[in-house]
Amino acid sequence: SQKIEQNSEALNIQEGKTATLTCNYTNYSPAYLQWYRQDPGRGPVFLLLIRENEKEKRKERLKVTFDTTLKQSLFHITASQPADSATYLCALDRDDKIIFGKGTRLHILP
Amino acid sequence: EPEVTQTPSHQVTQMGQEVILRCVPISNHLYFYWYRQILGQKVEFLVSFYNNEISEKSEIFDDQFSVERPDGSNFTLKIRSTKLEDSAMYFCASNLDRLNEKLFFGSGTQLSVL
Repeated sequence: SQKIEQNSEALNIQEGKTATLTCNYTNYSPAYLQWYRQDPGRGPVFLLLIRENEKEKRKERLKVTFDTTLKQSLFHITASQPADSATYLCALDRDDKIIFGKGTRLHILP
Repeated sequence: EPEVTQTPSHQVTQMGQEVILRCVPISNHLYFYWYRQILGQKVEFLVSFYNNEISEKSEIFDDQFSVERPDGSNFTLKIRSTKLEDSAMYFCASNLDRLNEKLFFGSGTQLSVL
């Protein structure tokens, strides 16, 4: 069955540095991959979608890459701020449903 | 900015009781979803709904679950006879253009089954 693995449960990054989160998946390659942000007690918030024919996508301080050979997506936050602290979820489509990873809790340290 | 609204924010019920979780998706959206998240675990797909019928459902969405769009604005999830393991945060989501892309989530209903 399709599995999604996000690199670590928690990641601590110093303010101003670039945070890099990893999403690996097994088995078939999805047509697209999405990243969401989730704050405690709240629903996920859509950030970026990248399709299989796109190598990179950017939105303000966010950048996502998609390597279908490695079966991996990297999610970067440049010039990180304490307000970026949250859980970041990787999600991909499988059999007409979205599967979410467990997420990586990112802490930006002031 | 338009948002998905869910009520109630918290629901406590006794095992075996029926519950209805309510959602008002964003008004011009066409696709509707329910997800759930057990504390500390991943967000899990339950069901997707389009054009007044279920598009896809997961193994979790058994005969105890049903969804309905009773009018032009509400989207409900009913659990007929709740079990302890149904305790979770239930999220409604909607989107406009294509199934499963760029979902807008509500803030969730925390369901506690005692």
